[in-house]
Parts: sequence; structure tokens; C-alpha cells
Amino acid sequence: GAGVSQTPSNKVTEKGKYVELRCDPISGHTALYWYRQSLGQGPEFLIYFQGTGAADDSGLPNDRFFAVRPEGSVSTLKIQRTERGDSAVYLCASSPRDGPNEQFFGPGTRLTVL
Amino acid sequence: QKEVEQDPGPLSVPEGAIVSLNCTYSNSAFQYFMWYRQYSRKGPELLMYTYSSGNKEDGRFTAQVDKSSKYISLFIRDSQPSDSATYLCAISRGSNYKLTFGKGTLLTVNP
Repeated sequence: GAGVSQTPSNKVTEKGKYVELRCDPISGHTALYWYRQSLGQGPEFLIYFQGTGAADDSGLPNDRFFAVRPEGSVSTLKIQRTERGDSAVYLCASSPRDGPNEQFFGPGTRLTVL
Repeated sequence: QKEVEQDPGPLSVPEGAIVSLNCTYSNSAFQYFMWYRQYSRKGPELLMYTYSSGNKEDGRFTAQVDKSSKYISLFIRDSQPSDSATYLCAISRGSNYKLTFGKGTLLTVNP
């Protein structure tokens, strides 16, 4: 079946602009995660949804970052007033509700803030 | 102290070699242990997971967990050039919980 998809694959924006990044999880997966990966680093957790609600948003770096999952499937990560330090690859993962914590990742969105 | 430590390498081996990749973690609350493979400009791909001490084997790959030492390993037998990638260890406190990743080890297998 289809894996996790993310759009756009690349996004270049200017400092101060607003961006939205989209994630389509694997069908039937109730858990959805967002991570951020900087060059030469492992992914770092941002936020986790179980269904429609954010179960853990402790990784969001500040209030410029926000994410939604209104129907419990597709999720959008929103970044306001982007800064150059926001440049990274934003990864989305999904996982079935039950069983071990197997998270399946999408290809990521490479965000560049000029 | 970081929750999980992983030597970033890089590690370069000849084709056919046995590769050993390792991570240490600091908190005994972690229960699930995973290895991901990440090719350049791709998302991480789940290779193996385990939630108990001991070994788990899948083809040429063996994952090993020693909870008493807080040490996890991934062994690759008969390494192939197609194994060249970054290998990330990841740990979790349980189901439906965030993953904490190591920095990743860049592996190159030379033909």
C-alpha cells in the first residue's frame, strides 16, 4: 500500500514568511508524528497526534510553530514568521494505534529560509 | 548528558565485512529500541525494532539490546555497497510515544 507522503518536497521561502507543510499518513494509522532533522543530526521530535488531538506538543520550539489534524488523517505543520534557523528537513511519521511503536516515515519536506 | 549517544563516524568498510553500529542511552525507562536506515535525501526507513534484551535477527541484520548496560547494537553481515547509508538508532518509552534518535552513523561499503 501507499506509504506516508509529504508535500511539498522542497520549499524555499524568505525570512518572515508563513509556510504550511502537509503530511498524508498511511491509511488507518491513528498516530501521527512530526520531526525536524538538521544537517548531520538525527530527527528531533516536534509534536504527536493521536486521532485529531495533539497528545504531546512538547517538542515545538516556540509559538511560531503550530500543527493541526482536523479529521484525524492529514496533518499540516504551520510555521509563522519563518527564521533562517528554521531551515531543516521536516519529517512526518505515522504508526498504528496498537502494537509496538513502529513509526513509518515520509520522504520529508526540505525547508530553506533565505 | 544526551538521552542517546551514537558515534557519527564516518565508517568505511570493504564489501563483505561485518559492520557493528552502537548506541548508548541514559534512562532505563526506555522500552523500545529501533534501527532506521536513511539514504541521502530520503526519509528514515525502519530496519528493526525490539523491546527486550537479547538478539533479534532478520537476514543479514542482527539487533542486540543489553538493558543492564543501556547499550544497543546493530550488526550487518556480508555488507554490500547498497548498505551505504546513515544508520540511526531510536529509542522510545513505549507505544504511542515519541522517538529519541541518535545522531546517526554514516556507513560506506566499498566494492
